[in-house]
Amino acid sequence: AIRMTQSPSSFSASTGDRVTISCRASQGVSSYLAWYQQKPGKAPNLLIYAASTLQSGVPSRFSGSGSGTDFTLTISCLQSEDFATYYCQQYYSYPFTFGPGTKVDVK
Amino acid sequence: QVQLVESGGGVVQPGGSLRLSCAASGFSFRSCAMHWVRQAPGKGLEWVAIVSYDAANEYHADSVEGRFTISRDNSQNTLYLQMNSLRPEDTAVYYCAKGGRLSNTAFDFWGQGTMVTVSS
Repeated sequence: AIRMTQSPSSFSASTGDRVTISCRASQGVSSYLAWYQQKPGKAPNLLIYAASTLQSGVPSRFSGSGSGTDFTLTISCLQSEDFATYYCQQYYSYPFTFGPGTKVDVK
Repeated sequence: QVQLVESGGGVVQPGGSLRLSCAASGFSFRSCAMHWVRQAPGKGLEWVAIVSYDAANEYHADSVEGRFTISRDNSQNTLYLQMNSLRPEDTAVYYCAKGGRLSNTAFDFWGQGTMVTVSS
């Protein structure tokens, strides 16, 4: 199985900050990489697919980059509603695997 | 609008069985691969299983292989997860999620989840 890692596991930030979260796959997944946002008690929400394509309805302050094994999610200007946990996921090969998550909380 | 509504969760003893359902509406269910994903309390997301749009193919995570079975009824727009030989470590919120026609697509809609608790 492809193992996904994320860094950092958590951090504190302020509204207006530029935020970067990294995701690494244990083997190449091409661009079959998605990012999800999850708030407490809610289902995950798709932000980015195909490593860099913004899902419809997702604010343009979210962006994704990378291919192969190294990927990045960037939030250009953090808003109050962005405090949440973020997961990367590879859907290149079975079993589809998620990273352990990165929690972004208020500084 | 797309809706996925899970049901069937509850409390079950170790070794017991449950059948989860996910009622789909607002999209062409028969054209989309469907998934189950679970999340243990306070933990991250774990992909459980996929069934192809036409039910011809399915794949299960090693952690549930031989105990859980994913299936679908395209005439009823419903996804299922039959869970047998349940263990305490299967305790989680179970989400159904919508993929695309191809199996290698991201999950663009999720249900609200149903809680399964395995405890004596």
